[in-house]
Amino acid sequence: ILNVEQSPQSLHVQEGDSTNFTCSFPSSNFYALHWYRWETAKSPEALFVMTLNGDEKKKGRISATLNTKEGYSYLYIKGSQPEDSATYLCAPNAGNNRKLIWGLGTSLGVNP
Amino acid sequence: EAQVTQNPRYLITVTGKKLTVTCSQNMNHEYMSWYRQDPGLGLRQIYYSMNVEVTDKGDVPEGYKVSRKEKRNFPLILESPSPNQTSLYFCASSPSGENTEAFFGQGTRLTVV
Repeated sequence: ILNVEQSPQSLHVQEGDSTNFTCSFPSSNFYALHWYRWETAKSPEALFVMTLNGDEKKKGRISATLNTKEGYSYLYIKGSQPEDSATYLCAPNAGNNRKLIWGLGTSLGVNP
Repeated sequence: EAQVTQNPRYLITVTGKKLTVTCSQNMNHEYMSWYRQDPGLGLRQIYYSMNVEVTDKGDVPEGYKVSRKEKRNFPLILESPSPNQTSLYFCASSPSGENTEAFFGQGTRLTVV
């Protein structure tokens, strides 16, 4: 079983703060890593799909980096806004069966 | 508008009464899948389909059936629902397999009493 760990489990920040979360996964047989944003009462929405070691992707104030050799990815949010409040899921595609394995997510609350 | 549509959004049913949750996508995606989400657990895949008439078991297929007769539709069938199938269900589609971004439906909250 592939273990995916996301940390922290939850955090609260003030509007305007920058923050980051971590997704850790075993580095063997890596194919891709997905980040999704999941707002309460809605469905997950894709942020990034990353495949190459050293990849950096950016969408507005949100960016992500990938280190496949050591098995981690960081998600950064610059200048957090209340609308960034959501659960951020990571899902690596790795291991012998080439399936996405979903983490439990980091729940972010941004206080105005 | 590109979307994945699931129906119904909410359903309360009784043990043993067959039900179907529909899923349709309008993006001509090849890959579709069903997930369930339970408290304290990550999304778990029930079944997936690589293309028309090609389906395969995910991580938790017991008690479920699917079919993919057309590219756009991927219904989830519970022949004899049981209370342990009470969950939040998501259908998702992606252009070509799990290394492309997935588009999720709105979710179906199922309660089996």
